[in-house]
Amino acid sequence: AQSVTQLGSHVSVSEGALVLLRCNYSSSVPPYLFWYVQYPNQGLQLLLKYTTGATLVKGINGFEAEFKKSETSFHLTKPSAHMSDAAEYFCAVSHNNAGNMLTFGGGTRLMVKP
Amino acid sequence: DGGITQSPKYLFRKEGQNVTLSCEQNLNHDAMYWYRQDPGQGLRLIYYSQIVNDFQKGDIAEGYSVSREKKESFPLTVTSAQKNPTAFYLCASTLTGALGEQYFGPGTRLTVT
Repeated sequence: AQSVTQLGSHVSVSEGALVLLRCNYSSSVPPYLFWYVQYPNQGLQLLLKYTTGATLVKGINGFEAEFKKSETSFHLTKPSAHMSDAAEYFCAVSHNNAGNMLTFGGGTRLMVKP
Repeated sequence: DGGITQSPKYLFRKEGQNVTLSCEQNLNHDAMYWYRQDPGQGLRLIYYSQIVNDFQKGDIAEGYSVSREKKESFPLTVTSAQKNPTAFYLCASTLTGALGEQYFGPGTRLTVT
């Protein structure tokens, strides 16, 4: 069985500050990892994904994440927060035998202060 | 434009009534999914379908039913047996072999009073 833990259900940063959203996973097989963003009353939009290859992946809106196998982590970062980054962020994991099934973390709500 | 549509955006029903939420996709995706989202609980899988005329229960299927008669459509019925149906419902789809990457619709917010 696989699981995802997002540390911190709410994160608050100032505009221009570093954004760091934490995600740890457990999986008995090599994982595929995803970050999704959700704006209020909308669906989820894919930010970035890791499947194989380079462990540092870049996504949309200036976000990036690094897959660290030894730490079973896939933390999401952005060097400088914008007000428009305020949203809920979900980390999710799948794997080769999962048949496209995703397991989601509980989500982290990012608030950006002016 | 290809995508997933869910209708209506907001839905209000009285307790004891069944209600059907629509999900349509024109992405030619094989698999479709229904999730329920409650505040602070992330997404929980209700039902999924990997192929037309076949579907499986997810983690919280009780009180819900689905059908998959066409590749493009995967409607979800919230029955009166669902004890706490008020929630935000999200539909998603994916291609076989997409390694888990799912595309989501805009969601339907259901309120039952």
